Formats: sequence, structure tokens, C-alpha cells
Amino acid sequence: DIQMTQSPSSLSASLGDRVTITCRASQDIGNYLTWFQQKPGKSPRRMIYGATNLEDGVPSRFSGSRSGSDYSLTISSLESEDVADYHCLQSIQYPLTFGSGTKLEIK
Amino acid sequence: QVTLKESGPGILQPSQTLSLTCTFSGFSLSTYGMGVGWIRQPSGKGLEWLANIWWDDDKYYNPSLKNRLTISKDTSNNQAFLKITNVDTADTATYYCAHLIYYGLFDYWGQGVMVTVSS
Repeated sequence: DIQMTQSPSSLSASLGDRVTITCRASQDIGNYLTWFQQKPGKSPRRMIYGATNLEDGVPSRFSGSRSGSDYSLTISSLESEDVADYHCLQSIQYPLTFGSGTKLEIK
Repeated sequence: QVTLKESGPGILQPSQTLSLTCTFSGFSLSTYGMGVGWIRQPSGKGLEWLANIWWDDDKYYNPSLKNRLTISKDTSNNQAFLKITNVDTADTATYYCAHLIYYGLFDYWGQGVMVTVSS
């Protein structure tokens, strides 16, 4: 199985900060990486697919990037509505595997 | 507009079989490239993929659940199903179904259904 190592597990940042969350894949997954945002008590929402493609309606302060086996979700300027858990998912190979999640809070 | 909604028993006892239903609209599971997946999340924990079913009845399962899973569909009634046999307390979670399309996964999710396994 492909392991997705997500870091950090939790993150506290100030409004306006640049925030980066990373997932490292244990094997080559190409660009088969999706990021989800999950607000408290809600279902996950797909934010980025294909590692770098922004879902329609997602604010442009969100972006995805790849460097080798490291995949990052970046929020360029943190807003209060971004408080949520964030999850990555690899989909190049079954079984599909999620990262362990990152809890993002406002400092 | 794609919508999905999960339904289930709410509570069941250890060793019983959990039966979940995903009722959806806005797409058909008889259309090329469409699918439904199931994902679960224990309270306060991460997401775990369980199974996918595709328009052509191709099925994929998470082997960590050791053959306890069965996914199926009823294209006439726009429903997908997941059964988990021999449940125990570790299966207590919120269960989600989500839309699949061959070039992108989980773009639409249901609201989730909470399932508790308790004696």
C-alpha cells in the first residue's frame, strides 16, 4: 500500500499568514493527489485535484504544488473561514489512501 | 446538480452486519465513467477509504477490512450499497458516500451517517 505521510498534524497560525501543509508519498503517485477541506461537523470538500488544479469556487488563495514525492497545499493569506481539517488522498493505486489529516486553527 | 445521501441503522451490536445505502441524484451509475465510493471517519480521526463501485460493475475494496465488505448498486433506483459483516466497536464511525468520475474522485459527498456499534 502507498503511505501518505501528512504534516504537520496540527497548525496554529495568524490571520494573513502563509500556511503550508505537506503530504509525502511512499511511492511515485504522479499527480494523483487530491486535497480536501473538512470544517467541523461537515463533510469533506474537494479543494484541489491532480495535485495542482483548483476546484471551481475555491478561493484563489489556495494552491497546490508538487516537489518530487512531496505535495503541498498552501494558503497564501489565512482567513478565519479556513479553520478546518485538511486531508490528502492518493488515487494512483488501490487501496486509495488518505494522509492522517492536519488541523488548522487561528492563533 | 449531484447530491448524495447516506442512510443506515444508527446503532447495531457486535457481530451483526452493517447495511448502508447511498441514494443519489444528478448522475446515473449506468453512465460511462461514473462511480460511487464509501469512506468512513471515526470521531476525531482521519478518513479511511472503504470501497468503490463503477458504472461497469467494477469493484474495489480496502484489503485492511479482510473480505468483510460488499459493495453493490441498483442503477434503476439510483442507489449504491455497502455491507460490512461481523462488525465490532472499531467500526463505529461516520460513513460517507461520494461521487466518482473516471478522471476525478470524490468531487461530491453525502452528509454522512453516524453508525455506532455497541453491546
